[in-house]
Amino acid sequence: GAVVSQHPSRVICKSGTSVKIECRSLDFQATTMFWYRQFPKQSLMLMATSNEGSKATYEQGVEKDKFLINHASLTLSTLTVTSAHPEDSSFYICSAKTSGGSTDTQYFGPGTRLTVL
Amino acid sequence: AQTVTQSQPEMSVQEAETVTLSCTYDTSESDYYLFWYKQPPSRQMILVIRQEAYKQQNATENRFSVNFQKAAKSFSLKISDSQLGDAAMYFCAYRSSDFGNEKLTFGTGTRLTIIP
Repeated sequence: GAVVSQHPSRVICKSGTSVKIECRSLDFQATTMFWYRQFPKQSLMLMATSNEGSKATYEQGVEKDKFLINHASLTLSTLTVTSAHPEDSSFYICSAKTSGGSTDTQYFGPGTRLTVL
Repeated sequence: AQTVTQSQPEMSVQEAETVTLSCTYDTSESDYYLFWYKQPPSRQMILVIRQEAYKQQNATENRFSVNFQKAAKSFSLKISDSQLGDAAMYFCAYRSSDFGNEKLTFGTGTRLTIIP
C-alpha cells in the first residue's frame, strides 16, 4: 500500500517551453501533496504544499508563477514548470499524505529528472 | 524555524556489522515527529523508521532502530547486520505535529557504503 507514482520519470525540453509533471497516489486518497526539488548530491528542499481543492502554499523564494501547482483531485497533483530555463534542471520529487488518524507519514514518488537545454 | 543536522556526509561499514548514523535537530516545539528516509541510487525515497516525540520508547523496525534522546535533540539510526542493499543516502527529517504544518525538514544526508 501507499504507492505514489510520478510521470514522466525523465524529461528533456528546450529553454522557454513548459513542462508538466504528474504525481498520483495509487492506492489511497491524498488530501495533501508536497513538491520537492533535489539538486545533485544535495538534500530535498520543499517547494510547495498542495491541498486538494485549494491554492498551493509556496515556500519562501519559490516563484508561484513559474512553478504552477494544481491539486485537482484526491489522487492527482501536477507541477508545471513554465518557461523553463537551464537553471530549472533538477530532480523533482512529490510526496503524498493521507488524512486523518495517525497518518503523519509522507510517501514519496520515484521522482522526475528535468533537463532543460 | 526547525533545522536538522547530519554531521556525517559519508559513512562506511563492513557487511554484517553495525553502523550508527547521527542526526540532531533544533526545535522549540514539544511534540513532533522524526523520520529516517533511505534514498538508494534509484532516487526513490523509502521510509525506514519513524518516531513520535511523545513516545519515550525507541522505535524499531527489524534491523533498524533509533536512539531518540529528546532532551539532547538527538535522533540516531542504528543499522544492525548491515547488508549490501543498505547502501544508500540516508536522510533524517523533522515534522511538526501542528495540523496544517506538515512539511518535512530534511538534513543534508549521509551516504552509507557497505563494504563486502
